Order: sequence, then C-alpha cells, then structure tokens
Amino acid sequence: SQKIEQNSEALNIQEGKTATLTCNYTNYSPAYLQWYRQDPGRGPVFLLLIRENEKEKRKERLKVTFDTTLKQSLFHITASQPADSATYLCALDRQTGANNLFFGTGTRLTVIP
Amino acid sequence: NAGVMQNPRHLVRRRGQEARLRCSPMKGHSHVYWYRQLPEEGLKFMVYLQKENIIDESGMPKERFSAEFPKEGPSILRIQQVVRGDSAAYFCASSPITLAGVHEQFFGPGTRLTVL
Repeated sequence: SQKIEQNSEALNIQEGKTATLTCNYTNYSPAYLQWYRQDPGRGPVFLLLIRENEKEKRKERLKVTFDTTLKQSLFHITASQPADSATYLCALDRQTGANNLFFGTGTRLTVIP
Repeated sequence: NAGVMQNPRHLVRRRGQEARLRCSPMKGHSHVYWYRQLPEEGLKFMVYLQKENIIDESGMPKERFSAEFPKEGPSILRIQQVVRGDSAAYFCASSPITLAGVHEQFFGPGTRLTVL
C-alpha cells in the first residue's frame, strides 16, 4: 500500500516568513495530490489539488508543487500569519475509485507572532 | 447549501454497547467516505460508499464494524460491542459525481466516540 511521509510532526516559523511543508510518498505515483488544513476539534478543509501533469499550483498565499520523479510535493505558505497555525494534511488518490484518498499524518504548523 | 452533517457530535458508550454514527452528505453528493482519527494521528480510511453500494471497505475492521448508505437517509457507521480501543474521532466526508472524476472531499465536524 501507499506510504506517505510528511516532514516533522511540528514546524514553528516566525510571522511573515514562508512555511514549507513536505509530503513524500513511496509506492505508486498518484494521479493527483491534495492538501487539507485541519484545526483542533474540526474536520479537514480542502485547500489545493494538483494533478500529476501539473508542476505547480497557486492560490493566494499558497503554492503547491508536485515532482513525480522525486515522489514529493511541497506546500508553501508565503507571508505566514498566526492564523495559518494548524495541521496540514497531504492526501493521495487510492487508485480504487473516484476521489478515494489516502492521508498522511500531517504537519502541525505554528506561526509565531 | 448546508455542509456535511454528522451526529451526534459526541457519543459516550460503555464497553459492549453499540455505537451508531450518522452522516448526511452535502446536497447533490453521492459519494461518502468514513475515516477514523486517533489523537495525534492522521486520518485512517475506513470505507467508501455510494448510494446503496459499498465501493471500498478495505480500511474497516472485519468484525464489529459495518457501514451503509441507503437510498434515502443518512449514511450510518455502526460499531457493535464497542471496546476502549474504538475511542476516536470519526469523520465523514462527501464528494460529488462529476465528469472530471476528481474532486475534493468535504468533511463533516466529526463524531467523538468515548468508550468507558
């Protein structure tokens, strides 16, 4: 089965800096990859989706890259704010049906004012 | 358009009792997914359903757990004879059918099950 590794359980950065989160996978190459945000006590919220034929996707202060050679996705938050503090989850398709996802354990980001 | 609804939000059961968790997907969504999350752990896929069909239940324990998504009404995740290890947050998500074939999942607020 697919194995996903997200860099360090926790990441602390200073407000205004760029946060970079890593998602590495080990087995099959997914057709697409998604990033979600999860706040304590709440369900995950979708942020971005990137397909295997796309190198980069942007949305406001967010940027995602997808390197199928390295089997890696990078998730960047520029000009980070304390409100960006949350757990960020990487998810890959399970190859068993439309939209069926396999989630990583997440990286907990804390933006320090 | 209301989001994904889950109830109850909190459920306390004693060992050996049954737990029923309900999930109403977003209007127009016909795909439902159930996940389990333990504290400080990621989301573990349990089961993927479409109306009246189980598409993938590879993440669901073979015993005591069952799921359904009837033609009418919410999806139900049922845990029989609960044990302490079943204590977790259970999330439901839904997504639509589209010709594009790929969509994000919309998550509910979760049901936090505590087994005493």
